[in-house]
Amino acid sequence: AQTVTQSQPEMSVQEAETVTLSCTYDTSESDYYLFWYKQPPSRQMILVIRQEAYKQQNATENRFSVNFQKAAKSFSLKISDSQLGDAAMYFCACLQYGNKLVFGAGTILRVKS
Amino acid sequence: EAGVAQSPRYKIIEKRQSVAFWCNPISGHATLYWYQQILGQGPKLLIQFQNNGVVDDSQLPKDRFSAERLKGVDSTLKIQPAKLEDSAVYLCASSLGQGYETQYFGPGTRLLVL
Repeated sequence: AQTVTQSQPEMSVQEAETVTLSCTYDTSESDYYLFWYKQPPSRQMILVIRQEAYKQQNATENRFSVNFQKAAKSFSLKISDSQLGDAAMYFCACLQYGNKLVFGAGTILRVKS
Repeated sequence: EAGVAQSPRYKIIEKRQSVAFWCNPISGHATLYWYQQILGQGPKLLIQFQNNGVVDDSQLPKDRFSAERLKGVDSTLKIQPAKLEDSAVYLCASSLGQGYETQYFGPGTRLLVL
């Protein structure tokens, strides 16, 4: 069974600074995808970034980038130039074939002005 | 492109009552999911449909939960009778198909059972 672990229950960052959220996962599959989702207080789950496990290049979406270390089964999210609107719960998730998506417990990100 | 729609957004009921949630997926998405998210936890899959057939309902408490997806589009999730521990956010998601498709989520329905 696959598992996803987010070891940081809560993180804080100053506006305009950079923050990194950690995630480790465990899967026996050779093919899988990894995601970061953002969930603001409205509870809408918003896709932030997606990484294919077979790609060595780290995914980037504007201010969001990942550090994907396949051998270590690590998938961290870096947010650059943090904005007040980035404050939310962030979930790391692993997708196996058949659309089996498993989430971590989440990390609350607080952005200070 | 319209996103995943869910209703109602909020629901408060007493234990032992019944409740139903509705979901309309993104147009053209064959796969639909219902997740339960208890406060402080990540979402957990309850049931997955491919068109109007059930792919995975292994985590659905079938003694009280039921779900259907008539005509392979809209879906309803029902709880009868509700328990206190059913208080959670119920998220609906959809994807184009199976395999490694990205799932897109609706706004969720927040249920409080008193």
